[in-house]
Amino acid sequence: GAGVSQSPSNKVTEKGKDVELRCDPISGHTALYWYRQSLGQGLEFLIYFQGNSAPDKSGLPSDRFSAERTGGSVSTLTIQRTQQEDSAVYLCASSESYSGGRTDTQYFGPGTRLTVL
Amino acid sequence: QKEVEQDPGPLSVPEGAIVSLNCTYSNSAFQYFMWYRQYSRKGPELLMYTYSSGNKEDGRFTAQVDKSSKYISLFIRDSQPSDSATYLCAMSPDTGRRALTFGSGTRLQVQP
Repeated sequence: GAGVSQSPSNKVTEKGKDVELRCDPISGHTALYWYRQSLGQGLEFLIYFQGNSAPDKSGLPSDRFSAERTGGSVSTLTIQRTQQEDSAVYLCASSESYSGGRTDTQYFGPGTRLTVL
Repeated sequence: QKEVEQDPGPLSVPEGAIVSLNCTYSNSAFQYFMWYRQYSRKGPELLMYTYSSGNKEDGRFTAQVDKSSKYISLFIRDSQPSDSATYLCAMSPDTGRRALTFGSGTRLQVQP
């Protein structure tokens, strides 16, 4: 089946504008994660969703960042009033479950490359 | 200090060489250890997955975990130019937040 898909693949915006990034997880995967990868840096956790539980937002860098997951499937990451330091690749991952073991292996999408001018 | 440290490289080796990639970590709660490979402008893809200590082999790849030293390794035998990529170690605890903590990645270049 299809893997994790993300759109758009590239996004260029002006400082102060809002952006929305979309993630379509693997069908049937209950857990969904957002990470950020800045130039030369490892992946930084932002937020995750597990089923109908409240999301873990502990990695969000500021209140300008928010995310939602509708119907337990598609997720949207929103960045309000973008700043130049928000420029990065935003990666989405999904896993079959969140109960430990092999089934919570995370599979990544290709990412959205965000450039804030 | 970062929870997971990884030498960024770049590491350049001739084709056929044995490659050793390493990460150290400080959080003793980490129980799951993974290696991801990331090609330029692509998402990371899972290479190896290990739970707790020990060795795991898959084809030309061997992952080792030494929890007593908080040190993990990935060995690539008979390296190929197609192995040229950035290798990311990642880990997570057994309970609580399962989001992965990543190293910064090591860029590997295998010269033909």
